[in-house]
Amino acid sequence: RKEVEQDPGPFNVPEGATVAFNCTYSNSASQSFFWYRQDCRKEPKLLMSVYSSGNEDGRFTAQLNRASQYISLLIRDSKLSDSATYLCVVNTGFNKFYFGSGTKLNVKP
Amino acid sequence: NAGVTQTPKFQVLKTGQSMTLQCAQDMNHNSMYWYRQDPGMGLRLIYYSASEGTTDKGEVPNGYNVSRLNKREFSLRLESAAPSQTSVYFCASTRDRGADTQYFGPGTRLTVL
Repeated sequence: RKEVEQDPGPFNVPEGATVAFNCTYSNSASQSFFWYRQDCRKEPKLLMSVYSSGNEDGRFTAQLNRASQYISLLIRDSKLSDSATYLCVVNTGFNKFYFGSGTKLNVKP
Repeated sequence: NAGVTQTPKFQVLKTGQSMTLQCAQDMNHNSMYWYRQDPGMGLRLIYYSASEGTTDKGEVPNGYNVSRLNKREFSLRLESAAPSQTSVYFCASTRDRGADTQYFGPGTRLTVL
């Protein structure tokens, strides 16, 4: 079983739409959680960390549900520039980071 | 402040050849990592170095060796390249092993024929 699982998509949405991604993780002892963004053939970049209380950064909202072991990312008012692959990342402790295979988002005009 | 740099950006090898991928960071980070990314898969950890002088195996270490040359530099060596090692290789660093944010280099695209 994979440590982190994501729906690969693609999610094709029009500009202005709201879109949500989920990610599940298998290790209940996981300690920290993140969403990274990866543009085509580029390096991943941190989008936001995910906290138990939920957190928001502009149009992006992340939630963590430890009981069900899933993480979500909500993007409101999608922009063309949001088109990318979104990677769910889980840290099981110390230097052990596990990446999901990514969810591809295409925002259409 | 360049962040994390990697060389080379692209490389083509023949089966059995050897090469070293170089990575350096200028953020005074303690921990460094090597990942590979294959199509349809997430990044998988090859090796990591929690601090200068230490290295540990990750999820997919077979066929690779690493050297933490100093605090700034962490190299990945393929002793005898195989087609299965065709991949994109990313180096990353974190402030320390408990730190949250990983900073990535631009990647090395390696093809083994």
